[in-house]
Amino acid sequence: QSVLTQPPSVSAAPGQKVTISCSGSGSNIGNNYVSWYQQLPGTAPKLLIYDNNQRPSGIPDRFSGSKSGTSATLAITGLQTGDEAEYYCGTWESSLSAHVVFGGGTKLTVL
Amino acid sequence: QVQLQESGPGLVKPSETLSLICSVSGGSVSSYSWSWIRQPPGKGLEYIGYFYNSGSTTYHPSLKSRVSVSLDTSKNVLSLRLTSVTAADTAVYYCARRVGYGDGFDIWGQGTMVTVSS
Repeated sequence: QSVLTQPPSVSAAPGQKVTISCSGSGSNIGNNYVSWYQQLPGTAPKLLIYDNNQRPSGIPDRFSGSKSGTSATLAITGLQTGDEAEYYCGTWESSLSAHVVFGGGTKLTVL
Repeated sequence: QVQLQESGPGLVKPSETLSLICSVSGGSVSSYSWSWIRQPPGKGLEYIGYFYNSGSTTYHPSLKSRVSVSLDTSKNVLSLRLTSVTAADTAVYYCARRVGYGDGFDIWGQGTMVTVSS
């Protein structure tokens, strides 16, 4: 069971917008930065968003991140078939057993 | 640009020690913090540990008694050592570079599959 909760799956049509949620608590998302990753089958994760809403160079502005309280959201606009992948959120867990935590992942299907 | 390449045995026997290295090319390792992250087959990402640019380390609490991460700045190599392995340690192991103020990882190796089996 992951510390961060993501929906197992989301779907939308090409060209549409989709959002993926990541729910945590005050000891993780509530007081730390959130990052988002895209993982295509058989490949390493790719960083999409870091520090809640920053895009690395080369990541299109179709991808955006936001955080409010103990939840974070990844939004993808203008969906493309190539966006079909697994998406993970991650952050720092500040409890006594401090460590990086990830969500369980969300499978995005582009219909 | 910076590239990471993990290497090590693909098969380790139960109770033995898993040792992996991550070779960093195209940049200096000393300015960044580095992490090991693993992914069991068909499952999600699991943090293993950090080597911070300060020289300190942190580890996942469930692995803390068995794991160590080190960095050889002269060779640009990040190392992972995990003792007393079991089948639950079977996973793809990734090394990754930390970016930003939080715990985002912007550069990842391709990953190396390690199977624990007799």
